[in-house]
Amino acid sequence: DGGITQSPKYLFRKEGQNVTLSCEQNLNHDAMYWYRQDPGQGLRLIYYSQIVNDFQKGDIAEGYSVSREKKESFPLTVTSAQKNPTAFYLCASRDRSTYEQYFGPGTRLTVT
Amino acid sequence: AQKITQTQPGMFVQEKEAVTLDCTYDTSDPSYGLFWYKQPSSGEMIFLIYQGSYDQQNATEGRYSLNFQKARKSANLVISASQLGDSAMYFCAMREGPGNAGNMLTFGGGTRLMVKP
Repeated sequence: DGGITQSPKYLFRKEGQNVTLSCEQNLNHDAMYWYRQDPGQGLRLIYYSQIVNDFQKGDIAEGYSVSREKKESFPLTVTSAQKNPTAFYLCASRDRSTYEQYFGPGTRLTVT
Repeated sequence: AQKITQTQPGMFVQEKEAVTLDCTYDTSDPSYGLFWYKQPSSGEMIFLIYQGSYDQQNATEGRYSLNFQKARKSANLVISASQLGDSAMYFCAMREGPGNAGNMLTFGGGTRLMVKP
């Protein structure tokens, strides 16, 4: 079964701790994306990667970091520098031949 | 200026009736595309339909159709024969630039659709 997995679905952390969100895809897609969604709002782009070992900042990259060492994996680290990390985080991927982005189930991060 | 505007925060529709969800966009790029996604309460984003700026015909996918009016910069989603399972948040999104430009999406604020039995 091809798709995108994000784990865990719910994540709780104390303020001041870094936390890494997992995103794995077995769709053989080149491009991968991280979005953040706050309650009652649309998605905003954090980072994206078009190929392995390359990634670009999106609209709200401050306080986040990513890596793309493998085609299948695009982990997102929420650092202690992110002022308001509590949000719903969605990962997506895209085949280079289409425009459609496929989304994972998301991770809901709560920082207290 | 907002790139994607969805002016209807919430809408009700009677089961089996059609409903139109509004979306207007702002871009100066001649190459762009408009998407609609559905987000149920579980949170995942489900792709519904896509319209490219150079597409001659309005896109259709089953009960979904996109009313694309380029001169007015609008890309409204029409859902025919609404079903109870259509109750969800709906997001309009846009990509700008040619296909190799990263394809980042800009999302609107969403419309919550509620289907009444």
